[in-house]
Amino acid sequence: EAGVAQSPRYKIIEKRQSVAFWCNPISGHATLYWYQQILGQGPKLLIQFQNNGVVDDSQLPKDRFSAERLKGVDSTLKIQPAKLEDSAVYLCASSPRGTGGEAFFGQGTRLTVV
Amino acid sequence: AQSVTQLDSQVPVFEEAPVELRCNYSSSVSVYLFWYVQYPNQGLQLLLKYLSGSTLVKGINGFEAEFNKSQTSFHLRKPSVHISDTAEYFCAVYNQGGKLIFGQGTELSVKP
Repeated sequence: EAGVAQSPRYKIIEKRQSVAFWCNPISGHATLYWYQQILGQGPKLLIQFQNNGVVDDSQLPKDRFSAERLKGVDSTLKIQPAKLEDSAVYLCASSPRGTGGEAFFGQGTRLTVV
Repeated sequence: AQSVTQLDSQVPVFEEAPVELRCNYSSSVSVYLFWYVQYPNQGLQLLLKYLSGSTLVKGINGFEAEFNKSQTSFHLRKPSVHISDTAEYFCAVYNQGGKLIFGQGTELSVKP
């Protein structure tokens, strides 16, 4: 079974530029999460999708971050414009129904904003 | 609001010694509990989970955890650690509202 795929693995941009991350979850998984992990901290939930609908985006900075999940499969997370404090690892995870929330994670995208 | 507290940010231990990584959660409703491990430059990998049933849960790599409802704790243990166990460990809670919330992490450093 293929795991959660994320790209790119690494990205360096200047502040005020825009960037997009892509995630392909495990086939058949209804739930998709985007987390932000700042160095030395635990993952912070940014947005959660159930199929192609948003379940929770209460911690997504909506003035600069956006996310979509077209057709309930792949997802993209965009930052525009980026700030220095957005430097972090962005983790995508997916979860099937009926597993009590067990999530499968991709390897993440490490973003550095300079 | 639901939260997860990992009581130790860093735990240094010698190889073959026992280790306990502590986790407490706050929730007024039933929850599911997880421990994940993160190796450098990797995503998170599930170690073990508690959904229901026996309060002692066994996971991969010789780890186990005990769910204690009265103390709202879910501590992770291993009787004898290896150098390869050096990693960051995260406790997480999932509630009926459908959110998976993580603690701040515990860095386990195993020394020879």
